[in-house]
Amino acid sequence: DIQMTQSPSTLSASVGDRVTISCRASQRITSWLAWYQQKPGKAPKLLIYKVSTLESGVPSRFSGSGSGTEFTLTISSLQPDDFATYYCQQYNSYSPLTFGGGTKVEIK
Amino acid sequence: QVQLVESGGGVVQPGRSLRLSCAASGFTFSKYGMHWVRQAPGKGLEWVALIWHDGSNKYYLDSVKGRFTISRDNSNNTLFLQMNSLRDEDTAVYYCARDEGTDYYFDYWGQGTLVTVSS
Repeated sequence: DIQMTQSPSTLSASVGDRVTISCRASQRITSWLAWYQQKPGKAPKLLIYKVSTLESGVPSRFSGSGSGTEFTLTISSLQPDDFATYYCQQYNSYSPLTFGGGTKVEIK
Repeated sequence: QVQLVESGGGVVQPGRSLRLSCAASGFTFSKYGMHWVRQAPGKGLEWVALIWHDGSNKYYLDSVKGRFTISRDNSNNTLFLQMNSLRDEDTAVYYCARDEGTDYYFDYWGQGTLVTVSS
């Protein structure tokens, strides 16, 4: 199985901050990586797929980068609506598909 | 618009069974693979199962193999998860999610249904 490790697990930031979340895969996954945002009590929402492609309707302040085993989600200027938990997911291997443990972005 | 609505969750004793349903609308259901993803209380996301658009292939998380069965009814736009021999560790919110179509990530999610396994 491909293990996905996110860091940090919790991040405290202020509105307007630049925020970076890391995701590391236990083996190369080329570009098969997605990012999701989840708010309390809600279903996850797709933000980015194929490392850096923004899903339709997602604000341009979100961006993704990386390759191989190291990936990053960046929020260029944190907005009030962005306080949430973020998950990466690899789809290089579909049995099983695996998620990172999540990064909670909190208000500082 | 795409809608996925899960149902069938509830409280069940260990060792018993439960069947979840996911009613899909707003897209051509028979053209998309579908997944179940779960989230234990206060924990992260865990993929559970995948079924191809035509039901011809199914894949499972190791810990549910032999206990859970994913299926679909393309005539009625419905996805199912039959869960047998339930364990405490199966307690979670279960989401159905649509496969993007060519790659195995999830572009739409239902609101989830809570399954609680407890004696």
